[in-house]
Amino acid sequence: NAGVTQTPKFQVLKTGQSMTLQCAQDMNHEYMSWYRQDPGMGLRLIHYSVGAGITDQGEVPNGYNVSRSTTEDFPLRLLSAAPSQTSVYFCASSPDRTGGNSPLHFGNGTRLTVT
Amino acid sequence: DAKTTQPTSMDCAEGRAANLPCNHSTISGNEYVYWYRQIHSQGPQYIIHGLKNNETNEMASLIITEDRKSSTLILPHATLRDTAVYYCIVRVSRDDKIIFGKGTRLHILP
Repeated sequence: NAGVTQTPKFQVLKTGQSMTLQCAQDMNHEYMSWYRQDPGMGLRLIHYSVGAGITDQGEVPNGYNVSRSTTEDFPLRLLSAAPSQTSVYFCASSPDRTGGNSPLHFGNGTRLTVT
Repeated sequence: DAKTTQPTSMDCAEGRAANLPCNHSTISGNEYVYWYRQIHSQGPQYIIHGLKNNETNEMASLIITEDRKSSTLILPHATLRDTAVYYCIVRVSRDDKIIFGKGTRLHILP
């Protein structure tokens, strides 16, 4: 049972570099989302998707792009990394976009440092 | 903004029941109450959820007040491994923005 898989686990970027954080789930979940977590803080929603071809902004979307071309994958792109984007990034999925009766499943996170 | 409020931190003696409160006074009729926990820097882990009735599973019990404005997560026999940050959130069926607050940091004391 792979569940929600995030790669890479760790990444160091220089300011201005771009990269893509990968997230894949093998549970055929419709709903996927990205959160960031800064030290000592809670989770903040970046972007989410309720199905293939549909994405929307969360609480802190600036500086990040997403796409959802397949049900399984939901990559998060940083176009020009900034030190303020140093954080731990978590991807999550849940089975049913319409159901409140639908727990989130989280990946193990990507720890990103921007110097 | 998060729709729930929780104490910042709590202590509980090992072996005792840990009772974590959550206030969700603006909850609507079709919103579920969810609890998750995060141990160290791992990904959050789902614990339990409910709509109106109290719920119990192998990890915990969830007690929701009759007016649904608050709930309590109960860990019946806390162990050191239950030291974590516990998040209470509400999720309405048609609202896809799932917002987390800062949670409660639970310390289990030996």
